[in-house]
Amino acid sequence: GAVVSQHPSWVICKSGTSVKIECRSLDFQATTMFWYRQFPKQSLMLMATSNEGSKATYEQGVEKDKFLINHASLTLSTLTVTSAHPEDSSFYICSARPSGGGTGELFFGEGSRLTVL
Amino acid sequence: DAKTTQPTSMDCAEGRAANLPCNHSTISGNEYVYWYRQIHSQGPQYIIHGLKNNETNEMASLIITEDRKSSTLILPHATLRDTAVYYCIVRSNTGNQFYFGTGTSLTVIP
Repeated sequence: GAVVSQHPSWVICKSGTSVKIECRSLDFQATTMFWYRQFPKQSLMLMATSNEGSKATYEQGVEKDKFLINHASLTLSTLTVTSAHPEDSSFYICSARPSGGGTGELFFGEGSRLTVL
Repeated sequence: DAKTTQPTSMDCAEGRAANLPCNHSTISGNEYVYWYRQIHSQGPQYIIHGLKNNETNEMASLIITEDRKSSTLILPHATLRDTAVYYCIVRSNTGNQFYFGTGTSLTVIP
């Protein structure tokens, strides 16, 4: 099946710093990628839809200036958590759907665990 | 918003079939039913999806009721490695976003 890779798998940072997480589709092109956040013992919450070559679409309640998304190519989307604080500590997961149709399923990355001290 | 409801948790004996139900009473005619599972601290893994016919693959079977208001995911011979949270999602084939509900935490017991 299609592979989506995230980097880093885990990161620890100090409060006030910014952290960038990369999401790559390794063997397919993805016009659209999605970013989710998951807190312990909770479900995945969709944060934003990342569109190649255009601005991301954010879900209600997600601060676009805090969670910067860039989708510079058909195989790479990045999420930057700016001025991170302890409450931003979470498991961030990206997903992608192959361009050009297919059967519609999304392929998910392995997730990136962010801990803000 | 998620359009599905699932039991919070279920147990299944190892080697037995695990039957995971999902209600999606407001499903639209062009919406598919997708199933994913998430093993602890990993990204979700695709299992199966269907529109109205029953589907089977190497992982599982998906049974969709005739009125499409509910479905059941069947793991025919559950193993300990099937312990995970199972999510049922409805979405149109041309739609974009997947919204996750609370899922069912399946525990396979030795």
